[in-house]
Amino acid sequence: NAGVTQTPKFRILKIGQSMTLQCTQDMNHNYMYWYRQDPGMGLKLIYYSVGAGITDKGEVPNGYNVSRSTTEDFPLRLELAAPSQTSVYFCASSGQKYQETQYFGPGTRLLVL
Amino acid sequence: EDKVVQSPLSLVVHEGDTVTLNCSYEVTNFRSLLWYKQEKKAPTFLFMLTSSGIEKKSGRLSSILDKKELSSILNITATQTGDSAIYLCAVRGAQKLVFGQGTRLTINP
Repeated sequence: NAGVTQTPKFRILKIGQSMTLQCTQDMNHNYMYWYRQDPGMGLKLIYYSVGAGITDKGEVPNGYNVSRSTTEDFPLRLELAAPSQTSVYFCASSGQKYQETQYFGPGTRLLVL
Repeated sequence: EDKVVQSPLSLVVHEGDTVTLNCSYEVTNFRSLLWYKQEKKAPTFLFMLTSSGIEKKSGRLSSILDKKELSSILNITATQTGDSAIYLCAVRGAQKLVFGQGTRLTINP
């Protein structure tokens, strides 16, 4: 099984540019999450989704948007990139509501200059 | 606001030492506490602790949940250089998983 896949692995953006980070899972999980991890820090939740068509804000949603049109895909959109968005982005998924273990993708490293 | 705090933030020990990592939390509607190990990639799952499973052990690693004190510890005995990593504690509330800032563990040979 592929599990959770993310693309791209690494990207450099100029200030003000936009991009979409892709996340796909093949485990038929209802719950999907986007985290960012700054150097030397823990993970902060950006957005999460409990199923297709349903999304909600996490701790640090400003500057990001998400959509969940299918169970498999949960893209994260940056509209106007800022240096503060330089980070590593992890997508994760989990199954039933009380299935606690989250499966993480390999991460996308984003540098905004 | 839900909060998870880990200590120490950084720890350097010699190979063979025993270490104890701490995690305390204030989370509404506690469901479970999870420990992850993160090397230079995505976090990998270690343990999950719940009200019905407050102690877990796997090889040299063990973890205990203290629901009264709202905390957990992760013990690693006979440490090896391969144990060098960031150890993340996360607590699940009603819907979200809240992560602590992590403990960076370095094992010197």
